[in-house]
Amino acid sequence: AQSVAQPEDQVNVAEGNPLTVKCTYSVSGNPYLFWYVQYPNRGLQFLLKYITGDNLVKGSYGFEAEFNKSQTSFHLKKPSALVSDSALYFCAVRDDGYSSYKLIFGSGTRLLVRP
Amino acid sequence: DGGITQSPKYLFRKEGQNVTLSCEQNLNHDAMYWYRQDPGQGLRLIYYSQIVNDFQKGDIAEGYSVSREKKESFPLTVTSAQKNPTAFYLCASSMQGANTGELFFGEGSRLTVL
Repeated sequence: AQSVAQPEDQVNVAEGNPLTVKCTYSVSGNPYLFWYVQYPNRGLQFLLKYITGDNLVKGSYGFEAEFNKSQTSFHLKKPSALVSDSALYFCAVRDDGYSSYKLIFGSGTRLLVRP
Repeated sequence: DGGITQSPKYLFRKEGQNVTLSCEQNLNHDAMYWYRQDPGQGLRLIYYSQIVNDFQKGDIAEGYSVSREKKESFPLTVTSAQKNPTAFYLCASSMQGANTGELFFGEGSRLTVL
């Protein structure tokens, strides 16, 4: 069965420093991977996805993610963090067991960017 | 603008009462989903629907019911059989037949049982 793991409950970085939020996955076929962000009491917003092609995927708000097949990872990165990036981040993988394209989500990582 | 509208945003319920959460989308998406979010547990799938008049149970369907009579609407009823209904509920939709799998989410409904 497909699954994703986010090993860190929280990541703390200083504004202006690079940030990384980690995600590892387990799939039986080709991985379809996603990152979403959630601000307090709001819905999730799509950041980026990996379907096929380049291992470095660029997304919204200056975020990017690196797909690494050998390490089964899909870490989210940003070269220079902003205080406004502080939020809850979810990694997700598409469940290929159904044709509905439902997503399986990780437990989330809280990013705190200090001024 | 196109999007997903959930209502109400906040809802309080007494034990033993059924409540219905509304989800409407004008994105012309075929597939719709209900997720439940609890602190530290990520999102768990309750029900999903790929097409009108059809829906399937997700991972935690017990104590919930849905209907899909119209393409635009996918209401969720939290019944009195749901043992721990206090949570944040998220509705989402996606295009069917596309291999992107990207979900579009509503703003959520927070249910509190008193």
